[in-house]
Amino acid sequence: NAGVTQTPKFQVLKTGQSMTLQCAQDMNHEYMSWYRQDPGMGLRLIHYSVGAGITDQGEVPNGYNVSRSTTEDFPLRLLSAAPSQTSVYFCASSYRQRYGYTFGSGTRLTVV
Amino acid sequence: SQELEQSPQSLIVQEGKNLTINCTSSKTLYGLYWYKQKYGEGLIFLMMLQKGGEEKSHEKITAKLDEKKQQSSLHITASQPSHAGIYLCGAETLNSNDYKLSFGAGTTVTVRA
Repeated sequence: NAGVTQTPKFQVLKTGQSMTLQCAQDMNHEYMSWYRQDPGMGLRLIHYSVGAGITDQGEVPNGYNVSRSTTEDFPLRLLSAAPSQTSVYFCASSYRQRYGYTFGSGTRLTVV
Repeated sequence: SQELEQSPQSLIVQEGKNLTINCTSSKTLYGLYWYKQKYGEGLIFLMMLQKGGEEKSHEKITAKLDEKKQQSSLHITASQPSHAGIYLCGAETLNSNDYKLSFGAGTTVTVRA
């Protein structure tokens, strides 16, 4: 049982490049979400999904796209990376909301 | 998140002393979560509180939920170096038809020998 797996762990991008941060869970969790963590600001919700085919925006969705074609995967896409997107990104999943959340180990992204 | 105020922002405690971290929500709480994070690492789940007046303990860590005040506190008794890290509170609030999990800015705990 791997839990929530995030890849890659580290990434350096040039401004304007695109990339996808991967998140996969093997717990058959319906709810998945993406957060970014910046110094002194805690975790901020980017996008979330309550089930396959359903996604919604969080607090800071601009510059990010998501899709949920399967229950297991919830990739986060950066279409044109900007230095302001330098951050640590965490993926989380839950069986259902209000049932507790499991977090991945994070992806540290630097945009230069 | 401005919806969730965590205090203090940081604290330094002598090993063996107690400490308390507070978390206050501006919205109705449907669930309150406490996580611990070592610098540069992921989040470790500590406790989840859902009912007013609920109190949970694990080893030397106790968390309480005051639903009426929309507040939670995390108390560590007889702190040890292993308690050092960043403590984050997360609150589930209702957002249209879904619940949203928002986080406070975190409290950095340093334990001095």
